[in-house]
Amino acid sequence: DTGVSQNPRHKITKRGQNVTFRCDPISEHNRLYWYRQTLGQGPEFLTYFQNEAQLEKSRLLSDRFSAERPKGSFSTLEIQRTEQGDSAMYLCASSLRATNEKLFFGSGTQLSVL
Amino acid sequence: AQSVTQLGSHVSVSEGALVLLRCNYSSSVPPYLFWYVQYPNQGLQLLLKYTTGATLVKGINGFEAEFKKSETSFHLTKPSAHMSDAAEYFCAVSDRAGNQFYFGTGTSLTVIP
Repeated sequence: DTGVSQNPRHKITKRGQNVTFRCDPISEHNRLYWYRQTLGQGPEFLTYFQNEAQLEKSRLLSDRFSAERPKGSFSTLEIQRTEQGDSAMYLCASSLRATNEKLFFGSGTQLSVL
Repeated sequence: AQSVTQLGSHVSVSEGALVLLRCNYSSSVPPYLFWYVQYPNQGLQLLLKYTTGATLVKGINGFEAEFKKSETSFHLTKPSAHMSDAAEYFCAVSDRAGNQFYFGTGTSLTVIP
């Protein structure tokens, strides 16, 4: 069990650029979640996958955001045409199965949009 | 819909003193409740969770929390604070399907030597 791994740890980009983050969950975990956290706030749900299927996406999520989880393993989160308001910590979490199982979080990717 | 409210964004206690971090939830159905801790530069870790059964749940590092339905609360306590307890603490709620977890805004705990 190597834990949930997120790359990169930090990303600085200019407004209007596209960025992509990667999350490698714990290998046997079939649920994968993406959250966004800003300073002074708790994690805000973005989307989650059951294996390769994206089951739910937050209504707050702009269509500039897209996530994939090919083959039900690692996941990528892409933000197109970044805006300064996208600056945040992007957290990935995984769990073994649904229904009250605890989430295992990665250390996050800190995005700064200049 | 579920939500949680954490009262007090910053709490300071002396080393050895009681730690009390407050969390109230809102849910139309019996919820599952969690406390997570986030140490600097680390990911969130589960401290404890309540699903069903005993309303007093014990977690790691000497923390415990009590589910009080009548008060819609799930406050986190520890009898004696240690310097290593300094961190950000998040209360969270999920529905029984576990499809989403809703987090509070967090409480930053400072332990004064």
